[in-house]
Amino acid sequence: KAGVTQTPRYLIKTRGQQVTLSCSPISGHRSVSWYQQTPGQGLQFLFEYFSETQRNKGNFPGRFSGRQFSNSRSEMNVSTLELGDSALYLCASKAAGGGLNTEAFFGQGTRLTVV
Amino acid sequence: DQQVKQNSPSLSVQEGRISILNCDYTNSMFDYFLWYKKYPAEGPTFLISISSIKDKNEDGRFTVFLNKSAKHLSLHIVPSQPGDSAVYLCAASRRGDDMRFGAGTRLTVKP
Repeated sequence: KAGVTQTPRYLIKTRGQQVTLSCSPISGHRSVSWYQQTPGQGLQFLFEYFSETQRNKGNFPGRFSGRQFSNSRSEMNVSTLELGDSALYLCASKAAGGGLNTEAFFGQGTRLTVV
Repeated sequence: DQQVKQNSPSLSVQEGRISILNCDYTNSMFDYFLWYKKYPAEGPTFLISISSIKDKNEDGRFTVFLNKSAKHLSLHIVPSQPGDSAVYLCAASRRGDDMRFGAGTRLTVKP
């Protein structure tokens, strides 16, 4: 069974540009969450999608957005990039959502560098 | 608001001894707790979890203890091995909602 796949693994963008990151969850998993990890910080929750609907959202500006497709694949978009957006972006998938506790499995992450 | 705290940024133990990693939380509504292992520039790997209806869960060398009254959980690794050297992340969630993570504790196991 394939794990969580994130593409691309590495990305370099300039300030002001926008970027789209992709995440394919484990087959059968319907919940996808996105996290940001910056140096010295823990994982900060961005948002969670379940069955194509955003269920939860963290405290990030509107420049950060996402969506989920009918096959559960998810994309995250960051517009008007800032230097502070440089981080490791992690995607996690879960088998269930909506009140059921279960472990989440992470992808390898996308390392975004904004110059 | 840091709802999950790991107050020890690092821990060093000798191979074969016990490693104890600690985690505190502030939100009494959390009902599910997880530990992840993380290497630099990689995604976290799930280790072990515990529901709030239990106070202990064991999986091989890893045991997680939960003290709800103190809002505290700990991960015990016995015996510790050099391959256990990594950053350990504590996470908590409520009714399947998104996980909140601590900042992590870097464990070094010396041969």
